[in-house]
Amino acid sequence: GENVEQHPSTLSVQEGDSAVIKCTYSDSASNYFPWYKQELGKGPQLIIDIRSNVGEKKDQRIAVTLNKTAKHFSLHITETQPEDSAVYFCAASPTDKLIFGTGTRLQVFP
Amino acid sequence: SAVISQKPSRDICQRGTSLTIQCQVDSQVTMMFWYRQQPGQSLTLIATANQGSEATYESGFVIDKFPISRPNLTFSTLTVSNMSPEDSSIYLCSVEGYGGEYYGYTFGSGTRLTVV
Repeated sequence: GENVEQHPSTLSVQEGDSAVIKCTYSDSASNYFPWYKQELGKGPQLIIDIRSNVGEKKDQRIAVTLNKTAKHFSLHITETQPEDSAVYFCAASPTDKLIFGTGTRLQVFP
Repeated sequence: SAVISQKPSRDICQRGTSLTIQCQVDSQVTMMFWYRQQPGQSLTLIATANQGSEATYESGFVIDKFPISRPNLTFSTLTVSNMSPEDSSIYLCSVEGYGGEYYGYTFGSGTRLTVV
């Protein structure tokens, strides 16, 4: 079955800097790759997603890149703000379900 | 995207008892899922709740421990049976859907279960 690895597990950045989180997946049949932000006490919130027929997608300060050949995808957050502090999860969808990465705790210091 | 309501939001239960968690969606959806998130961990898929038929369970999860109902396209329940402290987790309902266009997978706010 699908296996998703995520790095780093923790990431600390200064406000205004960029943050990059990377994921790899194992199943070449996966064709949908969302990213979620989870704040304390809340459910995961979808922040951006990408399909396998697209190499890059951007939404304001957030971008995702996908390399199908290497089976990895990355989340890029520019101009980080303290409110970006949360746990971020990548996921891959080989069929009608999501398999999650292990999560990255991002801390943005003022 | 769909709006999901989960009940209860949290509970403290005695070991050996069972708890049923409800998931209500504000629109009809084909796919509904139940996930478990152990403290400080990622999300693990328990099962896919199928409308009108038995749920499809992932490896490591069985129907006797986590019975699931899906009577219609907007509602599902997950029961955690014969609970032990190891069942203390957040249980999350998720749906995949289309509202004119594909909106991906949406999650409820979760049920925080503590077993004592």
